[in-house]
Amino acid sequence: ETGVTQTPRHLVMGMTNKKSLKCEQHLGHNAMYWYKQSAKKPLELMFVYNFKEQTENNSVPSRFSPECPNSSHLFLHLHTLQPEDSALYLCASSPRGQGPANEKLFFGSGTQLSVL
Amino acid sequence: DQQVKQNSPSLSVQEGRISILNCDYTNSMFDYFLWYKKYPAEGPTFLISISSIKDKNEDGRFTVFLNKSAKHLSLHIVPSQPGDSAVYFCAAMERTNRDDKIIFGKGTRLHILP
Repeated sequence: ETGVTQTPRHLVMGMTNKKSLKCEQHLGHNAMYWYKQSAKKPLELMFVYNFKEQTENNSVPSRFSPECPNSSHLFLHLHTLQPEDSALYLCASSPRGQGPANEKLFFGSGTQLSVL
Repeated sequence: DQQVKQNSPSLSVQEGRISILNCDYTNSMFDYFLWYKKYPAEGPTFLISISSIKDKNEDGRFTVFLNKSAKHLSLHIVPSQPGDSAVYFCAAMERTNRDDKIIFGKGTRLHILP
């Protein structure tokens, strides 16, 4: 248990569906992240939120829309996805800016997304 | 263009022997390196890290070595145990950069053989 909870664990959706992924952290961290893990590719950073403000959008298509209502919650809204978007979506948090040795990311278990 | 490269997709090691996982990087501005371990159906968990001012960091059975001139780091696990079977991700960051982006490699799947 890392203190970062993601729901749902698995999601199957059609290309015309709208769905949302949810992430919650109970660690008091001030930074939250969305990463994408596709087969045989590195973990790809998608979005970074620091103190609820988006500080990074790593050229992610607009069919992925993040939302960070507070420092503990992060959402990824999905709309008209493509089959190639099927991947494991990982949420992470970090105590960024809270000390010199706090660069570690704490990951949730991920949502395995399949787009049909 | 990958900044962090793990050129071995998989590695098999006999239980009790040493496992050596390798990682190369291209960005000379990286000054902090991390290893993460991932089991199936779980998120990656932090394993060990090293600052660029050091060339070795040890934590129990895990040791990370850094060779800055070669832009190479390695993770040594000794002795290897069945529970070490997992995917290991190498990661790097430039702490002087306000972005603090952590860049990951593709991972190496380690199989510990009985």
